[in-house]
Amino acid sequence: EAGVTQFPSHSVIEKGQTVTLRCDPISGHDNLYWYRRVMGKEIKFLLHFVKESKQDESGMPNNRFLAERTGGTYSTLKVQPAELEDSGVYFCASSHRAPNSPLHFGNGTRLTVT
Amino acid sequence: SQKIEQNSEALNIQEGKTATLTCNYTNYSPAYLQWYRQDPGRGPVFLLLIRENEKEKRKERLKVTFDTTLKQSLFHITASQPADSATYLCALRLSGGGADGLTFGKGTHLIIQP
Repeated sequence: EAGVTQFPSHSVIEKGQTVTLRCDPISGHDNLYWYRRVMGKEIKFLLHFVKESKQDESGMPNNRFLAERTGGTYSTLKVQPAELEDSGVYFCASSHRAPNSPLHFGNGTRLTVT
Repeated sequence: SQKIEQNSEALNIQEGKTATLTCNYTNYSPAYLQWYRQDPGRGPVFLLLIRENEKEKRKERLKVTFDTTLKQSLFHITASQPADSATYLCALRLSGGGADGLTFGKGTHLIIQP
């Protein structure tokens, strides 16, 4: 099966600009997660979709971040306007609906805000 | 505050020996604990899951133990090989509610020397 794919793999933008990250989960996976790793820190949870519904967005840093999953397939994470502290690697992961299903991660989008 | 600690930032092991990685946590009541492997520029890859009522789990050369009294998990790689060199992450899923996502440690960088 195809894995989780993320686009772009790298993005360099200036402070104040907008960036949209895309994640295509494994087909059939209802659960979709966004995580972020800031340099020197651990990977941190941002939010969780079940199909098209936001199940938990308690990890979203602030209202400059907007995640969507229209139709319950791919998801986008938009940062507008980007700030310097938003730099990091953004990972998407998906899993089956069954409890305790392991997460399948994409290779991440490395975002650099200058 | 809640905290996950993984032993040392880098662990050097001679090929053929057993590598033992530690994951300690405080102020959590995890429903289960997972171990992931991460290679440079890639997303984490799931290895093993152990539930709170399980003491030990094995998969080929990998073994995980879980001691909820000590609040510690040990991850062992027997007959280690240079190809096992990577960063290993432990992650907890809380029981009784809380954020849907996993909480990750910073990871231990394992180097297996030929």
